[in-house]
Formats: sequence, C-alpha cells, structure tokens
Amino acid sequence: AQSVAQPEDQVNVAEGNPLTVKCTYSVSGNPYLFWYVQYPNRGLQFLLKYITGDNLVKGSYGFEAEFNKSQTSFHLKKPSALVSDSALYFCAVRVYNQGGKLIFGQGTELSVKP
Amino acid sequence: DAMVIQNPRYQVTQFGKPVTLSCSQTLNHNVMYWYQQKSSQAPKLLFHYYDKDFNNEADTPDNFQSRRPNTSFCFLDIRSPGLGDAAMYLCATSRDRGTGDEKLFFGSGTQLSVL
Repeated sequence: AQSVAQPEDQVNVAEGNPLTVKCTYSVSGNPYLFWYVQYPNRGLQFLLKYITGDNLVKGSYGFEAEFNKSQTSFHLKKPSALVSDSALYFCAVRVYNQGGKLIFGQGTELSVKP
Repeated sequence: DAMVIQNPRYQVTQFGKPVTLSCSQTLNHNVMYWYQQKSSQAPKLLFHYYDKDFNNEADTPDNFQSRRPNTSFCFLDIRSPGLGDAAMYLCATSRDRGTGDEKLFFGSGTQLSVL
C-alpha cells in the first residue's frame, strides 16, 4: 500500500534559523511526491513536487525539498524561517493508478517564533 | 483568477438533517475531488469524479453522496449528518488523473458543524 509518514507532529523554529519538516514514503514504483501547506481555516496550497530528475526541488515561498531514494525520504527545507511560515504542512504521494488521488501524511505543525 | 470556490464557508446543520455543500471551479478541470478533514488531521478522500464518472472510496459511508451536474459544479450531500461528520470538507480539482505529476487545486473548504 502507498503511504507517507511525517514523524513529527510539531516543529518549533526560531525566525531566521533553517527549518526541516520530515517525510518518509512507501510506494511501489516511482513516487510522485508533493508538499502542501495549510493556513488556519483555509484549504491546502501546493508548495512543490518531485516527479523525476534533480533530487533537490524548489518551490513556492523559498521552500525546497530533497528526494532521497535510498532513505525513502522527501524532507521539506527552508534556509531561513519566517514567522509567516507558521502553518500545517502535509506531505503527500500521488497514486496515479487509483484515480490520481493524493494520500496525505498526518501533517506537521510548524511554529516559527520571533 | 481561475479558482476553486466552496460555499458556504461555514455550515451549521442539525443532527439527521440533510445538508449539501457546493463547489465550483473555473479551471475547466476534468477531475473533482471531495476530501474530509477532521481537526488537525490529514485530509481523507471521500470520492472523486473524472468527468461524469463517479469513483467512490471503499470506506466512504453511504451517508455521503455526490453529484456533478456539469464540469464546473460538484456537490457533496450528507443525507443524515451525525456528530462524527463535523469536519472541514475540501473540494479539489486536477486537470487530469492519468499521470501522477499533476497537482491538485484546493478550495478554502466548508467547515461543517452538526448540532
């Protein structure tokens, strides 16, 4: 079965410091991996995706993610966190042979303090 | 701007009283999805439409139904809401489903309360 796991319920970072939000996946075949962000009482917004090619993908708002096949990981990173980055972050895998649905991880609450 | 619009933003219904949530899109996407998201949990797919073709998830209760009268609109009907159905309901679209690299576009969601 296809799945993603986010091992941390919450990540706390000081503004200006680098941040990492972790994600591991389990898929059969090539993974299509995504990161979405959700601000309070809002829908999800696409940040970035990995399909193929460079292991480091860059996305919106200065975020990037590193695909690591040997570790089956797709961690989200940002060199310098902003208070406005505080939100709920979801890692997801696309199941293209099941209607293309996204399967989400359980989410990680990122809190960036001034 | 092209977008996915959900109405209403907040919906309150009574236990057992049917309720309908609506979603419209100006993206002209073929696929429309409905997700249920309970507090601070991962969104859970209920069903999706590929054009007019309805695809139900195996674990979606019969209490949940959907209609897609045309490309632009999709409705979620909850026939007899229970207290456990209180959640955020998210509508999403994608241009196609045949390849895995397409992102989903989400609406802002409808927060359903059941009294």
